[in-house]
Amino acid sequence: QVQLQESGPGLVKPSQTLSLTCTVSGGSISSGGYYWSWIRQHPGKGLEWIGYIYYSGSTYYNPSLKSRVTISVDTSKNQFSLKLSSVTAADTAVYYCARIPLTTVVIDYWGQGTLVTVSS
Amino acid sequence: QSALTQPRSVSGSPGQSVTISCTGTSSDVGGYNYVSWYQQHPGKAPKLMIYDVSKRPSGVPDRFSGSKSGNTASLTISGLQAEDEADYYCCSYAGSYTSVVFGGGTKLTVL
Repeated sequence: QVQLQESGPGLVKPSQTLSLTCTVSGGSISSGGYYWSWIRQHPGKGLEWIGYIYYSGSTYYNPSLKSRVTISVDTSKNQFSLKLSSVTAADTAVYYCARIPLTTVVIDYWGQGTLVTVSS
Repeated sequence: QSALTQPRSVSGSPGQSVTISCTGTSSDVGGYNYVSWYQQHPGKAPKLMIYDVSKRPSGVPDRFSGSKSGNTASLTISGLQAEDEADYYCCSYAGSYTSVVFGGGTKLTVL
């Protein structure tokens, strides 16, 4: 059973960079077959896709966030990470890491989510 | 504003059926058979209920079904149960540039 767990600061100051890591257990990122994704949910709002990465390092980003987003992977630690630069209060959200199979476009496993608040 | 349009809320009594719609365009819902549906209870992560328009993952009751006509996908829940009360989100592939888009979510109330 694959499990994903987000970790990182719950509070980030405006204009700084938000950094989160997702640790994957129960499966190896480097075995391929899946994209590893970040999705966020603003308080009381819907879901927003941020982007995803393949184990090789290939990335795909939401065009609306592309200029501020970097997703990276560390196969030795079985982790992938999100960096979102120049954050504002509008970036306050629950951030989820998730898995997407290569064979179809579906989010089959989600992390529990972590709330990141942008405030001074 | 979300890329896919869902009703803000729907309701039904136990045992009844409800249908939640998800309207997009020919560039997303209408263009690909990659529509999925997620159930989210308060404070929890979303859970996959339907994928590839109408397929059910193992463990999801057959009371949940999905379909698509043109640019609109639908999730139907039959034999409503109290535990079905949750928010439901649709999701679609939208091509290699935009990639993934979500609906704004629908709150299902079981009366």
